[in-house]
Amino acid sequence: DTGVSQNPRHKITKRGQNVTFRCDPISEHNRLYWYRQTLGQGPEFLTYFQNEAQLEKSRLLSDRFSAERPKGSFSTLEIQRTEQGDSAMYLCASSSGQSQETQYFGPGTRLLVL
Amino acid sequence: AQSVAQPEDQVNVAEGNPLTVKCTYSVSGNPYLFWYVQYPNRGLQFLLKYITGDNLVKGSYGFEAEFNKSQTSFHLKKPSALVSDSALYFCAVRDTNQGGKLIFGQGTELSVKP
Repeated sequence: DTGVSQNPRHKITKRGQNVTFRCDPISEHNRLYWYRQTLGQGPEFLTYFQNEAQLEKSRLLSDRFSAERPKGSFSTLEIQRTEQGDSAMYLCASSSGQSQETQYFGPGTRLLVL
Repeated sequence: AQSVAQPEDQVNVAEGNPLTVKCTYSVSGNPYLFWYVQYPNRGLQFLLKYITGDNLVKGSYGFEAEFNKSQTSFHLKKPSALVSDSALYFCAVRDTNQGGKLIFGQGTELSVKP
């Protein structure tokens, strides 16, 4: 068990391009969360999955954002037509789904949109 | 609406002195409270949590936190600070609605000087 992993760790892109991030949760964790963290702020919830089902999406998640977890294991977060305001750290977390669960976070993907 | 407040942007302490990082919360129902630490360009590391039971919770790296229901606070403490404790600390409350997303405070930067 190596914890939650995220790839890439850093991404620089030009405005208007599409980007995709990957998250591999702790094995056998059935809940997977995505958060976004901007400089000087705490993480803000984006969306979460219970197995392969996406059960909640924040209003922060505009229609340019899409997340998938096709087999209930890894997840991808895609941002289409990136904007400079999308520049942030994107954090993934996983948990066991028990009532007193702890969410364990990955190292994050830092996105810079030029 | 559920929320968390960290009233201090920065806390400065001398090595060997006790430290306190403050957190207050607002929730409906019983709170599930968490502390995480973030080192530069890294994800969040779990320190400790309060679910129920003893108001004094012990966690990783010698940290502890005291849950105070009447003051709606969950302050993080350590009896003797280390330079290596210097980092960004986040308090969070678990959303009591289905899904359990975390709602974070804005963070407190702890600086421990030798």
